[in-house]
Formats: sequence, C-alpha cells, structure tokens
Amino acid sequence: EAQVTQNPRYLITVTGKKLTVTCSQNMNHEYMSWYRQDPGLGLRQIYYSMNVEVTDKGDVPEGYKVSRKEKRNFPLILESPSPNQTSLYFCASSLRVYTGELFFGEGSRLTVL
Amino acid sequence: EDKVVQSPLSLVVHEGDTVTLNCSYEVTNFRSLLWYKQEKKAPTFLFMLTSSGIEKKSGRLSSILDKKELFSILNITATQTGDSAIYLCAAPYNNAGNMLTFGGGTRLMVKP
Repeated sequence: EAQVTQNPRYLITVTGKKLTVTCSQNMNHEYMSWYRQDPGLGLRQIYYSMNVEVTDKGDVPEGYKVSRKEKRNFPLILESPSPNQTSLYFCASSLRVYTGELFFGEGSRLTVL
Repeated sequence: EDKVVQSPLSLVVHEGDTVTLNCSYEVTNFRSLLWYKQEKKAPTFLFMLTSSGIEKKSGRLSSILDKKELFSILNITATQTGDSAIYLCAAPYNNAGNMLTFGGGTRLMVKP
C-alpha cells in the first residue's frame, strides 16, 4: 500500500530535550516536505527536499533540522524543542510538488512543556 | 508576498444543500492551484487546476479556476454529512515551484 508513515504519532516532551520525528514513504517520490499546522495559521512549510542530499528551508524553518540521506526517509529534528513548537506536524511526499498530489502522513502531535 | 486566502472560515449547512468555497491567490510564476480535504487527520488530494485545466469535476465536487481574477471555487452539490471537513487550497509559489503555500482552510459542517 502506498503510504507516508510518521512516528511518533503523539509525543509529549519537555523544553530542550532533543527529539526526532521520522518520516518514510514507499512510493519512490523525489519530493518530501514537512509542515506544521496550527489553529488559525493553516499549514506552513518547514523544510522540503527535492531529492537525496538536497534540502531547503520553507517558511518556518527556525528551530528545526532535516536530512535526506535516503530517498525514502526525511526525518525532522528538533534539537532543543520549545513550547512554541507545540503543533501538529505533517510529512508529505510527491513526485514533484507542482504535479499536484501530495501524499500526507497521518500527522504527529507534539506537545512541548 | 505570495499568499492564498480562503473564505469563508467556516460554514454550516444541512444535507442536500449546495456549497461554494472560495480561494484567492497571489503567487509568483503561477503553475497550479490545489484543493485538499482534511477530515480527521491527513489532508487528501481532491483537484489540481492549471492553465490548461481550469475545470475539474469528480462526482458531486467540482472546481474552477479563474486565472484572470486569480481565484478558484470548490462546489459541493447535494452535500452529505461525510463532506464535513476542512477544505484547503494551496499553490506552489517560488521560481522552481517547489514551495507550497496553503490557505487557512474552510471548515465545513454538514448537519443531517
């Protein structure tokens, strides 16, 4: 089954404790991206990757890191989480972004205390 | 500034009603406008509209793109409770088309 898998789905952590949200897709997509969704602000792009070893900042990259060492995986790293990073995070993939169909993961709800 | 704006923010209708959701956009190097439906969790793709495909239809859902006035509408006819969701529109906006900006969404509730 074609899918984007994120883990963990839910996480409560404390300020400053490094965490990684994993994302894996099995569709051989070149493009992968991370978004955060906050009430009233919609979906905002954090980072994206056009292919292996090619990553770039989105609209809200501060406090996040990513890597793309393999085509299927695109982890999101919060080196020192802060409460303002409490959000619902989505990973998505696509052949190319403007071909239209982004496939989203189920989301990871992160709470930073 | 590249942006996508949706209206209304929320909408409550009864089953059988027809609804129209709006999306206006201002993006550099327009390529496409995308519609997604978000029910409980992950958004799912509905339509992509481009210069060469300004009308799309799937069952009770249809969408058009007005490139002159820079907006798109999503129509849902004979609404059902299963149409209750947040509807998102989005557009790629940078020179390479690899950054995507989303509107804030329209929350639709369909009552029995």
